[in-house]
Amino acid sequence: GQNIDQPTEMTATEGAIVQINCTYQTSGFNGLFWYQQHAGEAPTFLSYNVLDGLEEKGRFSSFLSRSKGYSYLLLKELQMKDSASYLCAVRDDYKLSFGAGTTVTVRA
Amino acid sequence: EAGVAQSPRYKIIEKRQSVAFWCNPISGHATLYWYQQILGQGPKLLIQFQNNGVVDDSQLPKDRFSAERLKGVDSTLKIQPAKLEDSAVYLCATPRTGNTEAFFGQGTRLTVV
Repeated sequence: GQNIDQPTEMTATEGAIVQINCTYQTSGFNGLFWYQQHAGEAPTFLSYNVLDGLEEKGRFSSFLSRSKGYSYLLLKELQMKDSASYLCAVRDDYKLSFGAGTTVTVRA
Repeated sequence: EAGVAQSPRYKIIEKRQSVAFWCNPISGHATLYWYQQILGQGPKLLIQFQNNGVVDDSQLPKDRFSAERLKGVDSTLKIQPAKLEDSAVYLCATPRTGNTEAFFGQGTRLTVV
């Protein structure tokens, strides 16, 4: 099975940087995904890591350490529209499982 | 390319009634997921199809939930009879062709009263 942990809530100021950590334990590993979900909407894909290291996509970056079972999502230059839930998801040999999500609130 | 279409968007039923949800995924992809997302929680995988076959249904409450995938394309998820704790958003997802990430439909919000 899989166990995926991430903080429940985080608050940050507009323009700042926030880092959302995710730790996981899985019987197999075939990639880690980050999704963004605004209230009342479906999750949308942000990033994918399968090898160790940092993947950068504009204001969003994601890091993976497979040996530590650890990932983080870094949100830079926060904007009000970044207020949402951020979901960490891990795929083992075939199944995609999600953490409970981290609610990020961006304040002016 | 077409997205993932789900219907209905919203459904309110009384407990012990039956309900069915429909998903029409991106055409041609073999993998299809159904997730249940209770308010304030992450999506929980109910069932995963590979073409017409079930890959994983370990978290599907089989005494009341059932799902099928017709000809490896459309899928339906049924609850019979519904309980109050089934109130949730039911999400259908499939990978985009050539990509690895799952692409979600808008979901069906079920309220059981």
